[in-house]
Amino acid sequence: DAMVIQNPRYQVTQFGKPVTLSCSQTLNHNVMYWYQQKSSQAPKLLFHYYDKDFNNEADTPDNFQSRRPNTSFCFLDIRSPGLGDAAMYLCATSTSPEGSNEKLFFGSGTQLSVL
Amino acid sequence: DAKTTQPNSMESNEEEPVHLPCNHSTISGTDYIHWYRQLPSQGPEYVIHGLTSNVNNRMASLAIAEDRKSSTLILHRATLRDAAVYYCILRGTSGTYKYIFGTGTRLKVLA
Repeated sequence: DAMVIQNPRYQVTQFGKPVTLSCSQTLNHNVMYWYQQKSSQAPKLLFHYYDKDFNNEADTPDNFQSRRPNTSFCFLDIRSPGLGDAAMYLCATSTSPEGSNEKLFFGSGTQLSVL
Repeated sequence: DAKTTQPNSMESNEEEPVHLPCNHSTISGTDYIHWYRQLPSQGPEYVIHGLTSNVNNRMASLAIAEDRKSSTLILHRATLRDAAVYYCILRGTSGTYKYIFGTGTRLKVLA
């Protein structure tokens, strides 16, 4: 059973048209992450939530926003997508990070195309 | 954030052991060493992690140098399904709670 679920698997949007990607989890984990992965590159962390505490990476463009209305759901909003935002967007979760057994659980990703 | 360095690519024959190295010379005393792998068109998946001692699980073994400045992921018998990009990541236990991926090693398994 999928534990970190990302919908849709493929998303097409138009240049400049706002788009929202969604992520849900059944693990009840405290921390949720969003990564951007461009072709043949490593995943790049955009931001993460520790419970309701939002942490933005310094180099994440202002065009990218996130919402976490409850423990289970997290959204990635791209306000005005550009061609350079076409990528795989990966959502991940982890338990409270102070523990020794903490690890990441990833969804299958949403492949975003910008036309 | 502490950095990791891995070879860009490696090859292995099927059913032979594979040793994937990772250098992390700036590791701090509380950083855990994590390994993830990413199969084509999938999200990364957890492989193994450790702090100081060597670790084994059903997927792999992790050998950690005594000074902790390097580690090696060991796949005991590579299969074609092990062809993936393998990422070595340092994970701190205080401050910001995040995983920063390095460039990873693309493993090719030859039949």
